[in-house]
Amino acid sequence: DAGVIQSPRHEVTEMGQEVTLRCKPISGHDYLFWYRQTMMRGLELLIYFNNNVPIDDSGMPEDRFSAKMPNASFSTLKIQPSEPRDSAVYFCASAMNTEAFFGQGTRLTVV
Amino acid sequence: DQQVKQNSPSLSVQEGRISILNCDYTNSMFDYFLWYKKYPAEGPTFLISISSIKDKNEDGRFTVFLNKSAKHLSLHIVPSQPGDSAVYFCPHSGGYQKVTFGTGTKLQVIP
Repeated sequence: DAGVIQSPRHEVTEMGQEVTLRCKPISGHDYLFWYRQTMMRGLELLIYFNNNVPIDDSGMPEDRFSAKMPNASFSTLKIQPSEPRDSAVYFCASAMNTEAFFGQGTRLTVV
Repeated sequence: DQQVKQNSPSLSVQEGRISILNCDYTNSMFDYFLWYKKYPAEGPTFLISISSIKDKNEDGRFTVFLNKSAKHLSLHIVPSQPGDSAVYFCPHSGGYQKVTFGTGTKLQVIP
């Protein structure tokens, strides 16, 4: 398996624009997580899914953030409208048991 | 909610010596404790775990100790190598519903 695949690797966008981050989990994994990494807060869990169903979205910072998982092989994290303070690295991870496997991350810069 | 704290943001160790990374937690209702390692510009990778029913787990140069009475978790790396220089996280996993990270401990192994 190629591991968790995230796209794009880098995204630069202007404030106010919509941003969509994509994730393909490892086949067979039934958990999917979205994390955000910042200098001040480290790795924060934003939302996670189990069998494509959102279980806990309490980490989503604002209503501007939304996540979907339409099927077992794809998930998106959308920010609309984006703001400069959303600039961070966003990681997607998938898991079947205790161990989670992370993607390479998407570095988002909002100018 | 479960709280895990890594009180040392950074650690410097000479190559060949022992590195000891520590975590404290506040809730005893864990199934597993995990350690992840993260290099810059990469996603975290799983390193080693320990079940809450054990007090030690060893994998090569890496040993994790769990002191349930003190609610303390530690990772020992012996001998430390320059390639071990990374940020280490000790998120918690409670029955695998939710894995929450923090800011981690940055380890620097000096050649």
